[in-house]
Amino acid sequence: AQSVAQPEDQVNVAEGNPLTVKCTYSVSGNPYLFWYVQYPNRGLQFLLKYITGDNLVKGSYGFEAEFNKSQTSFHLKKPSALVSDSALYFCAVSPRGSEYNFNKFYFGSGTKLNVKP
Amino acid sequence: GAVVSQHPSRVICKSGTSVKIECRSLDFQATTMFWYRQFPKQSLMLMATSNEGSKATYEQGVEKDKFLINHASLTLSTLTVTSAHPEDSSFYICSARGRVSYEQYFGPGTRLTVT
Repeated sequence: AQSVAQPEDQVNVAEGNPLTVKCTYSVSGNPYLFWYVQYPNRGLQFLLKYITGDNLVKGSYGFEAEFNKSQTSFHLKKPSALVSDSALYFCAVSPRGSEYNFNKFYFGSGTKLNVKP
Repeated sequence: GAVVSQHPSRVICKSGTSVKIECRSLDFQATTMFWYRQFPKQSLMLMATSNEGSKATYEQGVEKDKFLINHASLTLSTLTVTSAHPEDSSFYICSARGRVSYEQYFGPGTRLTVT
C-alpha cells in the first residue's frame, strides 16, 4: 500500500534558526514528490517539487527539500525560519507512470510549524 | 497561470438540504479534477476523481449517491452534498490536473457547516 509519513505533528523553531520538516514515503517506483503549505482556512499553496535531476530542490519563500532515494525521504528545509512561515505543511507523493490512475496524490498527515520570535 | 477557484468559500446549510460547491480552473483546461475532504487538524482525504464528460471515480468508503460530482466542462466540476448531515461538516478542497500530468493546482477550499 502507498503511504506517506510525516513523523512530527508539530515542529517548534526560533526565528532565524534553520528548520526541517520530515517526510518519508513508501510508494512503488520513483514517485513525484511535492511540498505544500496551508494557512488556516485556506487551500494548499505549492512550495516545491522533485521530478528528476538534482536531489536538492529549491522552491518558494526560501524553502528547499532534499530527495534521498535510499532512505525514501524528502525532507523540507529552510536555513533561516521566519515567524510568517508558521503554518501547516504537507508532503505529497504521486506514483510515476500512474497516468492510468489519474496521477493520484497521497498526502502525509501534515506537520504544524511554529516559529517563535 | 494555473489558478483554481472554488465557490462558495463558506456555506451554512440546514440538515437535510443539499449544497453545491463549484470548482473552476480559471486559465487552463482541466480534464481531471480531484475532490478532497479535510477534517480539522488532519490531512486531505481524496474523495473522488472527476473526469470531463465521464462519471467520477470514487474512493473506497465514499458514498457516490451522497456526494454527487459533475464535470460538465473542461473548466468546471461541481460537488453536491445531498441530504446533508452535521457529520458532513468539513473543509472541501478541489484540485485540477495541469497541462503537465503530474501537477495538481488546488482551490482555496470551501468550509461547509451543516446545522
